Amino acid sequence: AQSVTQLDSHVSVSEGTPVLLRCNYSSSYSPSLFWYVQHPNKGLQLLLKYTSAATLVKGINGFEAEFKKSETSFHLTKPSAHMSDAAEYFCVVSARGSQGNLIFGKGTKLSVKP
Amino acid sequence: GAGVSQSPSNKVTEKGKDVELRCDPISGHTALYWYRQSLGQGLEFLIYFQGNSAPDKSGLPSDRFSAERTGGSVSTLTIQRTQQEDSAVYLCATREGNTGELFFGEGSRLTVL
Repeated sequence: AQSVTQLDSHVSVSEGTPVLLRCNYSSSYSPSLFWYVQHPNKGLQLLLKYTSAATLVKGINGFEAEFKKSETSFHLTKPSAHMSDAAEYFCVVSARGSQGNLIFGKGTKLSVKP
Repeated sequence: GAGVSQSPSNKVTEKGKDVELRCDPISGHTALYWYRQSLGQGLEFLIYFQGNSAPDKSGLPSDRFSAERTGGSVSTLTIQRTQQEDSAVYLCATREGNTGELFFGEGSRLTVL
């Protein structure tokens, strides 16, 4: 069975400090992995995706994520947080199974303090 | 169209009324998903279409909820006899084939008084 776990429901950082949002997945198959961002009262936007090419994936707005098969992780990072990064972030695994092959994490709300 | 379009963007209705929510997918996208997002909650899967058929409708909360898709394009989500607990943002997303990224609409915010 496939699953995805976002380890923190809420992360708070100061502006200019690094961001780490953690995601672990479980999949019997080689998965595709995605991070989506949702700003308040907006739809979800793709940040980045991993589809079995390079394990370090760079996305928009300075975010990146590294696929680590040995740790079954796909953590999202950014070297320096900006106020505009405050949003909710969802980790998604695409693998065979139900729900149209997509499993969403429960989300991590990122707060950025000035 | 250029993106996934959902209508209405906001709907306020009285308890017991029926509502229809519409999703216009990106042209050519065969897979279409409906999700529900309640205040402060993550995404709740409702139903998935591949073309006009729904291989997985396991997330529909009750028989008051139904969805259809016609012509492999527009989808409507219908909620009959709405209840206050149906209040949420209903999100539609589409993708080309069965892989690749999802493209989301901005959602339909439903408020049941």
